Amino acid sequence: KNEVEQSPQNLTAQEGEFITINCSYSVGISALHWLQQHPGGGIVSLFMLSSGKKKHGRLIATINIQEKHSSLHITASHPRDSAVYICAVGRGGADGLTFGKGTHLIIQP
Amino acid sequence: DVKVTQSSRYLVKRTGEKVFLECVQDMDHENMFWYRQDPGLGLRLIYFSYDVKMKEKGDIPEGYSVSREKKERFSLILESASTNQTSMYLCASSLGPGPLHFGNGTRLTVT
Repeated sequence: KNEVEQSPQNLTAQEGEFITINCSYSVGISALHWLQQHPGGGIVSLFMLSSGKKKHGRLIATINIQEKHSSLHITASHPRDSAVYICAVGRGGADGLTFGKGTHLIIQP
Repeated sequence: DVKVTQSSRYLVKRTGEKVFLECVQDMDHENMFWYRQDPGLGLRLIYFSYDVKMKEKGDIPEGYSVSREKKERFSLILESASTNQTSMYLCASSLGPGPLHFGNGTRLTVT
């Protein structure tokens, strides 16, 4: 199984700041996922990507396959972005994903 | 939208009890998963199933079993609950290698 490392583990920022969360993994993958989990809530899939860059609203995800690294960016951050962001990698089989431990993001007004 | 429904949001059980956690998805996904989530450890795969009556062990299957008699339903069974099984349990489904769709989770406390 891949090891998935996220950084930082915890991040507190002010509203409006540009946020970057990083994810590194150790071996070849078929796809990388970014997930969001609000306190007490279920997990929502934000992005699934295998190359390049994807954008959805204020969220941008990038992946560099050669460097085995992905970043999740949040522009113009808002308190409602406060959540745990989880990086996960899949190897193309039916056995689900391997998850990072998550980044706990707090955006203060 | 895909809906993955877990039968209970909160559950309190006693040590030694047999516990059933139910999960139903409404989008004809062939893959279904059970994870547990613990602070500092992230999500860990307990069991998964890629078809009716098929099941595969994940990373931490000890103390658990599963049942998939119908495509839409995947049950997690704790044969004899123990305090170290106190955790958040998350069910998920996917179509092929596509994105996972998660239920809202069941927070199980074993006393």
